[in-house]
Amino acid sequence: GQNIDQPTEMTATEGAIVQINCTYQTSGFNGLFWYQQHAGEAPTFLSYNVLDGLEEKGRFSSFLSRSKGYSYLLLKELQMKDSASYLCAVRGLDYKLSFGAGTTVTVRA
Amino acid sequence: DVKVTQSSRYLVKRTGEKVFLECVQDMDHENMFWYRQDPGLGLRLIYFSYDVKMKEKGDIPEGYSVSREKKERFSLILESASTNQTSMYLCASSFLPGQEFMNTEAFFGQGTRLTVV
Repeated sequence: GQNIDQPTEMTATEGAIVQINCTYQTSGFNGLFWYQQHAGEAPTFLSYNVLDGLEEKGRFSSFLSRSKGYSYLLLKELQMKDSASYLCAVRGLDYKLSFGAGTTVTVRA
Repeated sequence: DVKVTQSSRYLVKRTGEKVFLECVQDMDHENMFWYRQDPGLGLRLIYFSYDVKMKEKGDIPEGYSVSREKKERFSLILESASTNQTSMYLCASSFLPGQEFMNTEAFFGQGTRLTVV
C-alpha cells in the first residue's frame, strides 16, 4: 500500500514563495502528481513527476527524489487565488492512485 | 476538454437504502476511480477499475461495490446506506501509464454530496 504525508496547513504572504513537502512509502512507484483544490470544487491537475528532478510550469515547480520517497511543490510569486488545498498523489504499479490528506495554503495580503 | 460527469450534485437517502452513484467519462480513459472526501481525511480511494469488468479494492471498500460494464461508465453502489457514508464522493478517470506521449493525470467529476439520514 501507500502511506503519503504532507503538512496540514501553511500560511504565506502575497508575492512570497511556499514549498509544500510530501513524503511517501509505497510498495511500487509509477508516478507522483500534485493537484490543486479550491473549496467546494473538484481537484485539478498541476504537475507530474516520474523521474528524479525538477519539473517547472510557470509559477509552479515540482521536485521528486524516488530514493528518498520525497517530493515538493514550489509555488512562487504567490497570489491570493493560490489559497487552496494542495494534494500529493502517488500512483502504484497496479494503477492505484492514492492521495495524501492535503495541505491547505492560505495567502495573506 | 475532458469531461467526467457525475449523475447528481446532491443526494439525500435514508438509512438502509440501496444507492447508486453514476460516473461517465468521454475521453476513452481506461482507468476510473471512486473516492470519498471527508474533512481532515483527504481523498480516500474506495475502488478503481483499469478495464471493463475489472475492479480493484482501494483503501476503504467496506460497504461499497462497483460496476464497470462499459468503458465510459463506472458506478458506485452502497448496498445498504448508513449514516457514516455521508460524504462527498468524487469520481475520476485517466489513461493508463506506459503509452508514449499520453498524459496520464486523473480528471475529476464535480462530486456528489451524499447525505444519509
